Amino acid sequence: DSGVTQTPKHLITATGQRVTLRCSPRSGDLSVYWYQQSLDQGLQFLIQYYNGEERAKGNILERFSAQQFPDLHSELNLSSLELGDSALYFCASSVVGTEPDTQYFGPGTRLTVL
Amino acid sequence: GQQVMQIPQYQHVQEGEDFTTYCNSSTTLSNIQWYKQRPGGHPVFLIQLVKSGEVKKQKRLTFQFGEAKKNSSLHITATQTTDVGTYFCAIAGGSYIPTFGRGTSLIVHP
Repeated sequence: DSGVTQTPKHLITATGQRVTLRCSPRSGDLSVYWYQQSLDQGLQFLIQYYNGEERAKGNILERFSAQQFPDLHSELNLSSLELGDSALYFCASSVVGTEPDTQYFGPGTRLTVL
Repeated sequence: GQQVMQIPQYQHVQEGEDFTTYCNSSTTLSNIQWYKQRPGGHPVFLIQLVKSGEVKKQKRLTFQFGEAKKNSSLHITATQTTDVGTYFCAIAGGSYIPTFGRGTSLIVHP
């Protein structure tokens, strides 16, 4: 158990819909990362937040957005969903996030878009 | 951004055989991390290498960072069925955007 929690564990929805994935980092960790993992694309970095502020952005689509709240939990919002958005979405947290420190991954949310 | 190539993509071994996965970059890396993801699980941090030529061991696992800091390897001696999973290397560039290799999936046949 990494100490990072993600909800829901599974999500099945239809194309065009909008979903919200939630992540709670380990106690004391200030940085949250979001990743998308699919069979053909591997583990793709989406976005990073540090203490409520966006720190780095990867290959995140404009249809996707995220935020980190004052209590440090984070939400990833996916809208206008397409079949290709079906994937595992991982959240990870780290203590500092300003250097390549260890990332602790949550169990993931499996999103299926039908 | 920085990219890292990881090979092989898959590796089948008989239990007891050795296994090695490699990560290569065209640019000099400040550090490299290794993660393991069991089937159905999430990536778990194994180790971080920072120094040129660094070698670190964890029981049957040996991690190396190349002298030029452009490549790294993970070697498992005498594989066991518990070693099954996908091993990823990960790098962070100057902007600290993490980049993961595609991973090497290790399949151990008993």
